[in-house]
Parts: sequence; structure tokens; C-alpha cells
Amino acid sequence: KAGVTQTPRYLIKTRGQQVTLSCSPISGHRSVSWYQQTPGQGLQFLFEYFSETQRNKGNFPGRFSGRQFSNSRSEMNVSTLELGDSALYLCASSTGTTLQETQYFGPGTRLLVL
Amino acid sequence: AQSVTQLGSHVSVSEGALVLLRCNYSSSVPPYLFWYVQYPNQGLQLLLKYTSAATLVKGINGFEAEFKKSETSFHLTKPSAHMSDAAEYFCAVSDGTQGGSEKLVFGKGTKLTVNP
Repeated sequence: KAGVTQTPRYLIKTRGQQVTLSCSPISGHRSVSWYQQTPGQGLQFLFEYFSETQRNKGNFPGRFSGRQFSNSRSEMNVSTLELGDSALYLCASSTGTTLQETQYFGPGTRLLVL
Repeated sequence: AQSVTQLGSHVSVSEGALVLLRCNYSSSVPPYLFWYVQYPNQGLQLLLKYTSAATLVKGINGFEAEFKKSETSFHLTKPSAHMSDAAEYFCAVSDGTQGGSEKLVFGKGTKLTVNP
């Protein structure tokens, strides 16, 4: 089974621009979660989608948004980029049915905001 | 809300020595606990997870962890370190609603260095 894939792997943007990141989950997985990883804040939960519905959201400003398509692929969008948005963005997929399910992570998209 | 504390942001051991990475959790309900490993420029890989079936959990690459409710701990151990174990290790607790949303709360991570 193919793992979680994320595109692009690297991205350079300038302040004020917007960016869209993509995540394709493992086949059969209906839950996709997004996390931001920075040296200062560590790994922080952004949001989780299940069957095209956002089920949970972390403490991030409204500039961070996401969506999920009928094939479970997910995108996250960050508008009006700030320098502090530079981070590794990880997505994870699971069956989404119980809390003990393993979340499988993709390799991440490294975003640099200049 | 659940939380996780990892004691020691950096741990250094010699090759062949015992590896002990500490994790304490705070949870108002029986927790689901996970250890993930991250190699440079990669995503997270699951090492093992506790789901209340057994307090001693064995994972991949010779790692294991013991759930101790009285100490609210879930420390990760490996009897003999290998150079390839050098990586960053994250303890996480599942914080969501059963049958509902999924969310992992992570500790700050522990960077493991293995010296030859």
C-alpha cells in the first residue's frame, strides 16, 4: 500500500502571498490531520477532516484553512503569509474511527517564507 | 485537555548502552499513548502505541515502553543503542472524542545522539 504523500516537498514564498499544500492519504483512510512543526513551538495540531467535514480545529488564525475532497485527498491553504509561518507542515491519515487508530504521517512540506 | 511532557530535550548515549527516553502524560481519561520517531528531513514514523491491552508495549527496532498509571508515565527504552537510532523521538497522547475527532498532542521531543 502506498503511504501518505504530500506535494510539494519544498516551497519558498514571500510575505503576503498565499500557499496551498496537498496531501493524499493512504487508500481507504478517511481521516486527514494537519500539523505544523517549528523549532520553537514543536508539533502543533492544525485541523482534522473526516469524510469532507472538519471535525476538529487547533488554535491557529483564520488564515489557515483546509478542505477535503470526496476521494479523501486534502488541501490546506495559508493566506497572507507571515515570516512565522515558515515551518514543516505534516499531514497524517488514519481510518478515523477510534482514538487508538494509528496516524500515518507523510514526509511533510517544508515552507519557507521570505 | 490532555498534555505530554518529555523530560530532556537532548539525550546522548554510547553505542550499545541503554536508551531511556522519558514521557509523562496528563489525562483525565484512560489515555492512548504513542511514540513516534523522526529522522532528519522526514516525517514521523510510529514506534509503538499503548491502547490499554498490555502495559508493556513492544515496538519496532527493538524499542519498548511501559505504561505506569500510578506514575502517569510512558517511558521509551531500548536495551542496546545502535548508531541508526540517532533521531528525534516524540511522545504523543490522543486527545479527541471517541468515534469523533482525532487529534494528537505531542511532547516537545527528545533528540537522541548515539556516540561510537
